Amino acid sequence: QLQLQESGPGLVKPSETLSLTCTVSGGSISSSSYYWGWIRQPPGKGLEWIGSIYYSGNTYYNPSLKSRVTISVHTSKNQFSLELSSVTAADTAVYYCARLSIWGIVDYWGQGTLVTVSS
Amino acid sequence: QSALTQPPSASGSPGQSVTISCTGTSSDVGGYNYVSWYQQHPGKAPKLMIYEVNKRSSGVPDRFSGSKSGNTASLTVSGLRAEDEADYYCSSYAGSNNVVFGGGTKLTVL
Repeated sequence: QLQLQESGPGLVKPSETLSLTCTVSGGSISSSSYYWGWIRQPPGKGLEWIGSIYYSGNTYYNPSLKSRVTISVHTSKNQFSLELSSVTAADTAVYYCARLSIWGIVDYWGQGTLVTVSS
Repeated sequence: QSALTQPPSASGSPGQSVTISCTGTSSDVGGYNYVSWYQQHPGKAPKLMIYEVNKRSSGVPDRFSGSKSGNTASLTVSGLRAEDEADYYCSSYAGSNNVVFGGGTKLTVL
């Protein structure tokens, strides 16, 4: 059974960079059929796709976040990561890592990790 | 890309049917048959219920069904049960490996 687990700091200061890692177990991140992505959910609000990466390293980002987002893949560790720079309080959210089909269908989700932006 | 439009809330009594709409544009919902629906209970990760407009994910009861007409997709829950009370989100492929979600609908079972 595929499992995804987010890890990283739960508190980030304004203007700094948010960094999270997703560890995939029970399957290979190098599968040619899937993308790996990040989705966030501010408290009490809806879901927002941040971006996705293919195992080859090709990346696709939400246009509204593109200037601040970097997603990387680390195939040897079966992990992928998210960096979001210049964070503000508006970036406070539960961040989910996920597996997506080529057409954006999210069939596996991590449990989510709350990241709070505050000084 | 703008978020897909969903009603903030919907409700129905046990045994009844309820339909939740999801409106986008010709660049997302109307342009592709890759609309998905997710169920999210409080404090939990979303769960895939419907994909490719009307296909049920493994283990999802046939009380859940999806459809699409033009730029609007719909999720219908028939025979409402207490455990169906949750937030529901639609999403659509939006071209160039982009994904867009709806704002979510809180379904209340009266």
